[in-house]
Amino acid sequence: SQQGEEDPQALSIQEGENATMNCSYKTSINNLQWYRQNSGRGLVHLILIRSNEREKHSGRLRVTLDTSKKSSSLLITASRAADTASYFCATDGNNDMRFGAGTRLTVKP
Amino acid sequence: EADIYQTPRYLVIGTGKKITLECSQTMGHDKMYWYQQDPGMELHLIHYSYGVNSTEKGDLSSESTVSRIRTEHFPLTLESARPSHTSQYLCASRGQGLRSPLHFGNGTRLTVT
Repeated sequence: SQQGEEDPQALSIQEGENATMNCSYKTSINNLQWYRQNSGRGLVHLILIRSNEREKHSGRLRVTLDTSKKSSSLLITASRAADTASYFCATDGNNDMRFGAGTRLTVKP
Repeated sequence: EADIYQTPRYLVIGTGKKITLECSQTMGHDKMYWYQQDPGMELHLIHYSYGVNSTEKGDLSSESTVSRIRTEHFPLTLESARPSHTSQYLCASRGQGLRSPLHFGNGTRLTVT
């Protein structure tokens, strides 16, 4: 991977459960961003966490960042069938953005 | 929804053809990017630009070229398409701020036969 590993590669849960996705990266960063991609479409920005932040919330999303371990996690609470998508983390260092391999989340109704 | 447009949406061409994938944005963003993504896989950065007359190669050698003559336009050209170029190509742009997110187009799905 250009940037690192994301796990799990695929996650299947029931509606109402929480989904946690993890991301590790290799280089120093200014910030880390999470994106969502519906099948066959472009990516949509979800949330950004700066390198000096440890946790960020936005609605049902919670992101953590541990720069000492070069890792981040995305938690989606009370998942819905509409949350079914692929989720990617992206590291922002200098002027280019690098993405991980993504986690494919399936939320069963 | 961000104002970034890619055409064509789908393209099937024969080996050896020259093709140009179009990308335009109306947000006045200086920074633009091309990513290549196989279905269900990670995104690979192939080219990016900081502004007019500025282009850089990314990590993936895709045998493509880009140009940036106007701020709003960032076309990607394959001089001689091969079956290995079959993939989805995603264009994105972002503003100047350090915390500006990427805005993506819906992609061009290219098939080379």
